[in-house]
Amino acid sequence: GAVVSQHPSRVICKSGTSVKIECRSLDFQATTMFWYRQFPKQSLMLMATSNEGSKATYEQGVEKDKFLINHASLTLSTLTVTSAHPEDSSFYICSVKQTGGTETQYFGPGTRLLVL
Amino acid sequence: AQSVTQLDSHVSVSEGTPVLLRCNYSSSYSPSLFWYVQHPNKGLQLLLKYTSAATLVKGINGFEAEFKKSETSFHLTKPSAHMSDAAEYFCVVSALRGGYNKLIFGAGTRLAVHP
Repeated sequence: GAVVSQHPSRVICKSGTSVKIECRSLDFQATTMFWYRQFPKQSLMLMATSNEGSKATYEQGVEKDKFLINHASLTLSTLTVTSAHPEDSSFYICSVKQTGGTETQYFGPGTRLLVL
Repeated sequence: AQSVTQLDSHVSVSEGTPVLLRCNYSSSYSPSLFWYVQHPNKGLQLLLKYTSAATLVKGINGFEAEFKKSETSFHLTKPSAHMSDAAEYFCVVSALRGGYNKLIFGAGTRLAVHP
């Protein structure tokens, strides 16, 4: 399968600060990337679909001004959690879909965010 | 609308015995179905996928799943469990929503393997 990296793997921050998470597709170009959130012992919930060169599409109930997504190149998407609060603590996972490929998504290793 | 239901939240087996993780789907058209595995604090790894070709799909690590349209099921099986199979397994369906193919995840099944 494709290699997808995320950085950082874990981050601890103070309440009110902003945190940026990077997702990189290392094996192929990805016009579309996805951001998921996973709470402990729960399933993955899609937050937004990130498209290179255009605005992200957010799922219902996800605040676009709080979770800023930038997809500036075909191999990099970033998620910025702005003014983080303890309830934003979660496991954030990105996935990539190869440009012109099938609907299969390849997932990154995830970023664990803890907001104190 | 497309959805998946994983019938067991926890499954426990002994090493060397068969594994069965159950998944039922709901779809208004021929679905694409996937099984992903997640080890603790790790990302997801694709085990196998069904995309309207052969109904019996073979995946990695000895896993396979059979698409049964009459039963709307896509159960995951493995003949002999290994300790390293202990993980969380997600049954996933692809749904076209808002112009994009999105993955809809089941709630997950935690597989425990005992010596």
